[in-house]
Amino acid sequence: SQKIEQNSEALNIQEGKTATLTCNYTNYSPAYLQWYRQDPGRGPVFLLLIRENEKEKRKERLKVTFDTTLKQSLFHITASQPADSATYLCALDPGGFKTIFGAGTRLFVKA
Amino acid sequence: GAVVSQHPSWVICKSGTSVKIECRSLDFQATTMFWYRQFPKQSLMLMATSNEGSKATYEQGVEKDKFLINHASLTLSTLTVTSAHPEDSSFYICSAFSRDRGNIQYFGAGTRLSVL
Repeated sequence: SQKIEQNSEALNIQEGKTATLTCNYTNYSPAYLQWYRQDPGRGPVFLLLIRENEKEKRKERLKVTFDTTLKQSLFHITASQPADSATYLCALDPGGFKTIFGAGTRLFVKA
Repeated sequence: GAVVSQHPSWVICKSGTSVKIECRSLDFQATTMFWYRQFPKQSLMLMATSNEGSKATYEQGVEKDKFLINHASLTLSTLTVTSAHPEDSSFYICSAFSRDRGNIQYFGAGTRLSVL
């Protein structure tokens, strides 16, 4: 069956450290993969999109990698801040207009 | 990023009543809008895909007559939960999409529905 898996356990890190979140998928061959941020009681906000022919993408303190062989994407936040605390969702396209979302990983950054 | 307005943000209603949720793309024309439902600590579950001027496409297990979707213009889609029951209580989120904006969905802030 097709699945997107993100670590369901919350990630707790100290301010200033790098947070690394993992997204694994099975039985998909997505043309691109996206990462969104969701705060409690709010809709997701788009962060980054990485295409299948791109190995890495950066935006300010964010970095995303995409390994189509491992079927995995890693999402990094460098120099993390308490304001980065949120749930981060991985999403991919199974074809067409749809987007399939992972359940997200909750990140807590302690001051 | 694009702005998508979703209204209301919170609604409490009695069992048996209908509730309408609006989703507007404020600064671009959305050829497609999506409606999701989300339970606590769970993923976004796609309910239906709505294209302007045509009938919505519902995901398996979503009742068309229960969740009425209208996408009358390129900037407005509505979801009506008809004859709401307590089990319909959830967080409903819309998103707007246009190929012209890249393969990105722009989400509304969500609507918390509580059915008493």
